[in-house]
Amino acid sequence: GENVEQHPSTLSVQEGDSAVIKCTYSDSASNYFPWYKQELGKRPQLIIDIRSNVGEKKDQRIAVTLNKTAKHFSLHITETQPEDSAVYFCAAYSGGYQKVTFGIGTKLQVIP
Amino acid sequence: DAGVIQSPRHEVTEMGQEVTLRCKPISGHDYLFWYRQTMMRGLELLIYFNNNVPIDDSGMPEDRFSAKMPNASFSTLKIQPSEPRDSAVYFCASSWALLDNYGYTFGSGTRLTVV
Repeated sequence: GENVEQHPSTLSVQEGDSAVIKCTYSDSASNYFPWYKQELGKRPQLIIDIRSNVGEKKDQRIAVTLNKTAKHFSLHITETQPEDSAVYFCAAYSGGYQKVTFGIGTKLQVIP
Repeated sequence: DAGVIQSPRHEVTEMGQEVTLRCKPISGHDYLFWYRQTMMRGLELLIYFNNNVPIDDSGMPEDRFSAKMPNASFSTLKIQPSEPRDSAVYFCASSWALLDNYGYTFGSGTRLTVV
């Protein structure tokens, strides 16, 4: 099936700095890539997504890039704030397997 | 809408006992998913339903796990007999479609501890 790898597993940044989380996927037929944020003790929630016909998408301080050739996509958070501290999951929807596969997650800590 | 509702929020049970987790999806959502979350393996898809029909159960770890969706507003995930390695947070999620512009809506999860 689809395999999604996510790096790093933990990330600490100073408030105001940028954070980048990277994911790779294995199924070239994957065409939809959502990102979820999970705060401590809470449910995962969609924060941004990108489809395979787009190379980059931005929403305020959050951006996602996709490189279909290399089969990797990244989440960029600029001007980080303490409330950005959470676990972030990337995911890939595989048309071949008809399901969404999640990465292992990245625990982001923003230090005030 | 109250969102996806899961019960119980916490469950502590002894090894060998039967455990039943419950989920009420958002009304009108055609897809329902059961996920298991652990530190080691992250979010794993166990099974998903479309219009109450199980579509893919390849993620169900073994025969001790079973899931049902008797109607559009209710699903259960049962573990019988339970084992300590089943300890995890189990999330139910629902959506309009497999590719939903609003993403999957997750429930609050059930934290299962098997002792």
